[in-house]
Amino acid sequence: AQSVTQPDIHITVSEGASLELRCNYSYGATPYLFWYVQSPGQGLQLLLKYFSGDTLVQGIKGFEAEFKRSQSSFNLRKPSVHWSDAAEYFCAVGGLTGGGNKLTFGTGTQLKVEL
Amino acid sequence: ETGVTQTPRHLVMGMTNKKSLKCEQHLGHNAMYWYKQSAKKPLELMFVYSLEERVENNSVPSRFSPECPNSSHLFLHLHTLQPEDSALYLCASSPRAVGDTQYFGPGTRLTVL
Repeated sequence: AQSVTQPDIHITVSEGASLELRCNYSYGATPYLFWYVQSPGQGLQLLLKYFSGDTLVQGIKGFEAEFKRSQSSFNLRKPSVHWSDAAEYFCAVGGLTGGGNKLTFGTGTQLKVEL
Repeated sequence: ETGVTQTPRHLVMGMTNKKSLKCEQHLGHNAMYWYKQSAKKPLELMFVYSLEERVENNSVPSRFSPECPNSSHLFLHLHTLQPEDSALYLCASSPRAVGDTQYFGPGTRLTVL
């Protein structure tokens, strides 16, 4: 069965500081990996995705993520955080086998940005 | 990315009411999904429709009844709900149903009194 672990429930960073949100997954084949962001009272917005190819993926809003197969990780990074990045971030895994029709989401990481 | 709309955005209902949530996607996608998001819980997949056929039902109580009349519209009919059903209900769509990128609507915040 596929699963996603986001070990940090809450993270606080200062505006302008760098950010790394951790995501570890379990999947029986080559995974599709996603990061979504959710602002309060809103739906989930896709930040970036990895299907194949270059393991460093660029997304919107200056975010990037790196797929590391050996560590089963897909951590999200941003070199300089803006106050508007405060939100909840979800990592998800899917693919052509195993989960089939669905994405499995992590429990989310709540990001707080201090001015 | 926009393209998935949900109405209403907020809904308050009593336990004996019947109401429906509506989702519409303007992306030409073939698959649509209902999720439930409760506080401090992971996103729960409720239903998956692919080409208007229900392909997954994750042990959802029968008081939730989905309907997909065409590939652009998805409904969630609600009746005799319980207070623990209060949550944010999210609709999503994807080009295909197989582990594909999903695009979400803004959600309906449901409160059951």
